[in-house]
Amino acid sequence: GQNIDQPTEMTATEGAIVQINCTYQTSGFNGLFWYQQHAGEAPTFLSYNVLDGLEEKGRFSSFLSRSKGYSYLLLKELQMKDSASYLCAVDNTDKLIFGTGTRLQVFP
Amino acid sequence: DSGVTQTPKHLITATGQRVTLRCSPRSGDLSVYWYQQSLDQGLQFLIQYYNGEERAKGNILERFSAQQFPDLHSELNLSSLELGDSALYFCASSPGLAGSEQYFGPGTRLTVT
Repeated sequence: GQNIDQPTEMTATEGAIVQINCTYQTSGFNGLFWYQQHAGEAPTFLSYNVLDGLEEKGRFSSFLSRSKGYSYLLLKELQMKDSASYLCAVDNTDKLIFGTGTRLQVFP
Repeated sequence: DSGVTQTPKHLITATGQRVTLRCSPRSGDLSVYWYQQSLDQGLQFLIQYYNGEERAKGNILERFSAQQFPDLHSELNLSSLELGDSALYFCASSPGLAGSEQYFGPGTRLTVT
């Protein structure tokens, strides 16, 4: 079966750092995506990890451990506009399998 | 703006009806994907087309069908609509088959009454 787990909700304070975890068990794996989605809007691409390790892109970083079936998205210097859902998705050869997403609320 | 367009933006219809959702991919992208997102649920993959041919199927109901035309735009047909079909329907496109970022359209919000 295909299983992707993320926490349902998280809260954090403006200026802080937050880590959103994702664990997966899928029949195929080519890589792992992170998308950001504001309520009622389309998902937008944040990162794509194929190899183990940390990929840094500005305030956002993403980590992958293929042997552990684990990834995390790290958001630094949080801003109010970072309040959104963060979707972890496994690239399963010819389709993406999405987790249900983590709703992050950033408070002043 | 992702470059992917979807029409209509909103659609309200009654149970038992049939609707068609339209998607135009980014220029140069050959793959089109359809997703359903119900309230408080994740994105559910429905179906993928690559250069006019069906490539992958997710949990798509038999009442739903799709196609990709020679100009690469795609249509998702939903028939015998039920209240539970109310959702956001997203189309996404990518250049190839796998391993590349998918660009999402703004979505069509379908309300079945």
